[in-house]
Formats: sequence, structure tokens, C-alpha cells
Amino acid sequence: NAGVTQTPKFQVLKTGQSMTLQCAQDMNHNSMYWYRQDPGMGLRLIYYSASEGTTDKGEVPNGYNVSRLNKREFSLRLESAAPSQTSVYFCATNPGGYGYTFGSGTRLTVV
Amino acid sequence: GQQLNQSPQSMFIQEGEDVSMNCTSSSIFNTWLWYKQEPGEGPVLLIALYKAGELTSNGRLTAQFGITRKDSFLNISASIPSDVGIYFCAGDNSGGGADGLTFGKGTHLIIQP
Repeated sequence: NAGVTQTPKFQVLKTGQSMTLQCAQDMNHNSMYWYRQDPGMGLRLIYYSASEGTTDKGEVPNGYNVSRLNKREFSLRLESAAPSQTSVYFCATNPGGYGYTFGSGTRLTVV
Repeated sequence: GQQLNQSPQSMFIQEGEDVSMNCTSSSIFNTWLWYKQEPGEGPVLLIALYKAGELTSNGRLTAQFGITRKDSFLNISASIPSDVGIYFCAGDNSGGGADGLTFGKGTHLIIQP
């Protein structure tokens, strides 16, 4: 029972490259989230999905797109990566309360 | 967006000492939460507070929801090495965190043996 699985764990991109961060959960939770964590900034919400087929912007959505492919998977896409997107990205699921389950993160560096 | 001011940014303490950290907001939250993050992992929920004035304990951890609904504090008694990590406060007004949470910037706890 893996919980929330994020891939890849590490990635280095050149400015302007694109990539998709993958997140999959096996807990049958409806809500899924993408956060970014920067030093001294805490976690900031990028996008979230309350259920399959719906997505909404969070606090810092610019430069990102998301897809809720099915109930299990919620992907985050960077179309043209910028150095300002260097961060640790966390996917999370919500069972309907506050006991969010977070993945272990994707550490992204854009050079 | 809403801002949470969490202090202190970091704490260097001796094992066995008590720890106190707090979080303030310019706006009201209906729910206050405290999470802990260990290196290489995502945050894990420690305590959830649902009512102004509420005082809740989880082992050596005690948290309170401020009367004004704009602040919360977390105390850790008799710290031990495994308490090391980053502690985040978070606030919510969407009910069950459905629309995501607003996190503070974290308090980095370092324990010297």
C-alpha cells in the first residue's frame, strides 16, 4: 500500500524545457493537490482537484497546468520551465478531513 | 491571499527543554492545524483545532486555537531527538481542507544532545 507516489524524485531541466510531474494515489480519496515548497516560504498551493474531472487554481498557478486523469492520478505540467520554478513539489490527497497524505516530493532544479 | 506569520523561524534547544512556537494571521480561520515535516518527506498532521479557545493535546504536544481566531500556538514538552524537523501551522476556511490549506513558513527545530 504505497499511499501517494510521486515521480520522478529528482529532475534537472534547462530553461524552456517542458516536463510533467506525476502523482498517483491508491487510497480512493476524491481530493488531490499540488503544492510547491521553497526555502523560507512554506508550502503554497498551485492547483487542486476536488474530484475526477475538476481542477481549480490555488495561490500560485502561473506557469503550470494540471490534469486529473482519473480518480487515482493528478499530474502537474510545466510547459516552459523557468529558474523561478526551481522548488520541491508535493502532491497530496485529502480523505475529507485534515489528515492530508503527502507524497515524498519531487525536487526540481531549472538551470 | 491570506498570510500566516509563524515564529520563530528556527530554534536551537537542548534535549529535555520545552518548546513554544506560534502562528498569527491577519484574517480569521475556522480551523487551525499543526503539521511536522521530516527531511525528505511530506508534512504529517499533528493536531487539528476546530473551535476558538480550544486546547488540544497529542502526547507531549499541546496546541491552542486563539480566542480571536487569528492565532494559534504549539508547545512541545520535554523535547527528544526525534522531535527534530520543521513544524508548520496551517489555516483553513473551506471545511475539511477541501480547497487546500494556507501554510505558515515553518519553524525549524534543532535539538542539541
